[in-house]
Amino acid sequence: EAGVAQSPRYKIIEKRQSVAFWCNPISGHATLYWYQQILGQGPKLLIQFQNNGVVDDSQLPKDRFSAERLKGVDSTLKIQPAKLEDSAVYLCASSGGTGNYQTQYFGPGTRLLVL
Amino acid sequence: ELKVEQNPLFLSMQEGKNYTIYCNYSTTSDRLYWYRQDPGKSLESLFVLLSNGAVKQEGRLMASLDTKARLSTLHITAAVHDLSATYFCAVENYGGSQGNLIFGKGTKLSVKP
Repeated sequence: EAGVAQSPRYKIIEKRQSVAFWCNPISGHATLYWYQQILGQGPKLLIQFQNNGVVDDSQLPKDRFSAERLKGVDSTLKIQPAKLEDSAVYLCASSGGTGNYQTQYFGPGTRLLVL
Repeated sequence: ELKVEQNPLFLSMQEGKNYTIYCNYSTTSDRLYWYRQDPGKSLESLFVLLSNGAVKQEGRLMASLDTKARLSTLHITAAVHDLSATYFCAVENYGGSQGNLIFGKGTKLSVKP
């Protein structure tokens, strides 16, 4: 079974530029998550999708971050304009199934450096 | 607001020794996850603990959950170098949506020969 795919793996931009990340979840997984992991910390949830609807975006800085999940499969996360403090690893995860818990499977992440 | 604290944050241990990582959380939850992260890699699921008294074991790692004390432990038995990694616990936030996980800061484990 293929895992969660993300691209690009690395990105270096200057502050005030824009950047976009792409995620393809595990086939059949209805729930998709974007996390931000700053160096030395645990991942922080930015946004959660169920199919193509947003379930939770309470921690997404909406003045600069946006995300969409068209057709309930792939997702993109965009930052516009980027700030120095956005330097982090952006992790995509997906989960699925009908049990009373859903283990989240993480992709390899996109490492963003804002100069 | 749910807070998750791990300790220690850094752990250097010798091969063959035993040690325990602790994960405390501040509000009610009975779903707790342990993940492993190798340097430059993504997170790998280790254990899911779903009820009070739950215990899971895989190889040299054993995880347990005490929901009344709001505490989970990850016990390492006879450590080997391959266990060197950062270990995160994550607690499902009942104040949020299902799957809304709050992660601890992680425990960076280094096993030395």
